[in-house]
Amino acid sequence: DQQVKQNSPSLSVQEGRISILNCDYTNSMFDYFLWYKKYPAEGPTFLISISSIKDKNEDGRFTVFLNKSAKHLSLHIVPSQPGDSAVYFCAASEPFGNTGKLIFGQGTTLQVKP
Amino acid sequence: KAGVTQTPRYLIKTRGQQVTLSCSPISGHRSVSWYQQTPGQGLQFLFEYFSETQRNKGNFPGRFSGRQFSNSRSEMNVSTLELGDSALYLCASSGGDTSTDTQYFGPGTRLTVL
Repeated sequence: DQQVKQNSPSLSVQEGRISILNCDYTNSMFDYFLWYKKYPAEGPTFLISISSIKDKNEDGRFTVFLNKSAKHLSLHIVPSQPGDSAVYFCAASEPFGNTGKLIFGQGTTLQVKP
Repeated sequence: KAGVTQTPRYLIKTRGQQVTLSCSPISGHRSVSWYQQTPGQGLQFLFEYFSETQRNKGNFPGRFSGRQFSNSRSEMNVSTLELGDSALYLCASSGGDTSTDTQYFGPGTRLTVL
């Protein structure tokens, strides 16, 4: 069973507009969520995270929103830039003996067109 | 601070052989986690080491093993290689104290099994 799901395999956005990437999860025990950006043949790069006690976290052009009741989080990128084109993964972790283990979604490929 | 480093970056092996991959964490990080990325299964957690002890383990066969040294460097070993072991192997390091510690990834080792 897939505990973290990114239902949109791809997203195309015009430069300067907002990109919204979505992620759903099923495990209510998850207490920490992260977004990573990945280029082919490279390791994921950490973008932003959010604890389950918050509903929003902002860092520059990146904002993550968490809706615990809906078990849904989203990453907003404003304004989008061509350099943002990459695969974006959401990931989650749970407490109580599961340190060091992240559960990843399947990824969403973002293309930002100039 | 130097990031997470992995060696080698690329490896080609044949079925039945074994392979050892190395990961050096960010200075001061005590936790090292290993992940396998394949097109079909995405990013999957292999195991995590903290203070030279395996603290968490994913659902992989016993052919996949690892260890951690006193300087926090970690190695991963795969024995009796199968074609399906071809993947990008990623390691990530973190402080390791809680499940909310952010993991930072290395560039990965691309393993091809022929």
